[in-house]
Amino acid sequence: DVKVTQSSRYLVKRTGEKVFLECVQDMDHENMFWYRQDPGLGLRLIYFSYDVKMKEKGDIPEGYSVSREKKERFSLILESASTNQTSMYLCASRPGTRNYGYTFGSGTRLTVV
Amino acid sequence: AQSVTQLDSQVPVFEEAPVELRCNYSSSVSVYLFWYVQYPNQGLQLLLKYLSGSTLVESINGFEAEFNKSQTSFHLRKPSVHISDTAEYFCAVSDRTGGYQKVTFGTGTKLQVIP
Repeated sequence: DVKVTQSSRYLVKRTGEKVFLECVQDMDHENMFWYRQDPGLGLRLIYFSYDVKMKEKGDIPEGYSVSREKKERFSLILESASTNQTSMYLCASRPGTRNYGYTFGSGTRLTVV
Repeated sequence: AQSVTQLDSQVPVFEEAPVELRCNYSSSVSVYLFWYVQYPNQGLQLLLKYLSGSTLVESINGFEAEFNKSQTSFHLRKPSVHISDTAEYFCAVSDRTGGYQKVTFGTGTKLQVIP
């Protein structure tokens, strides 16, 4: 079964901490994405990557950065966590063909206190 | 710019009753359309998609959606719901043009099936 695996299901961090959210896919997909999901706002795109070492800003990149050193791994970094970054974070991947849907991970629920 | 509107944030329905979850989109170009389902404490799963051809698409668990270009809609329907259909459903649209395929999600509709 193809998979997108997010390393943590729940995380609690303190304000100001640097936070790493990891995502690994085993499908050899070119494209990878990070979304955050908040009630009433749906999914908002933070960053995405077409391929290894490539990254593009999404709709809400402020306060985040990403790293993609290997094709299967896409990391989201919160440089200095703030309480307004408390959210559900979803990683997704897709082949490099636009008419495929996404495969999502199970999500990481991050709480910043 | 493209957008997706799911007007109903919550839809309660009795078990074995029919249901329709509404989705309207706007886009200046041709689009692909998707429905995703999110069960509690899980990520999203692709339910069905419209790419081209027949405007009626079906999923393996009895849902169907119809692309209506004139009304810019892609409503999701099921003739008889089950308790296990309780979940949040997201409509999504992506454009067919060159460059990065921007995908826009709706805000979701929570389907609550009542026994």
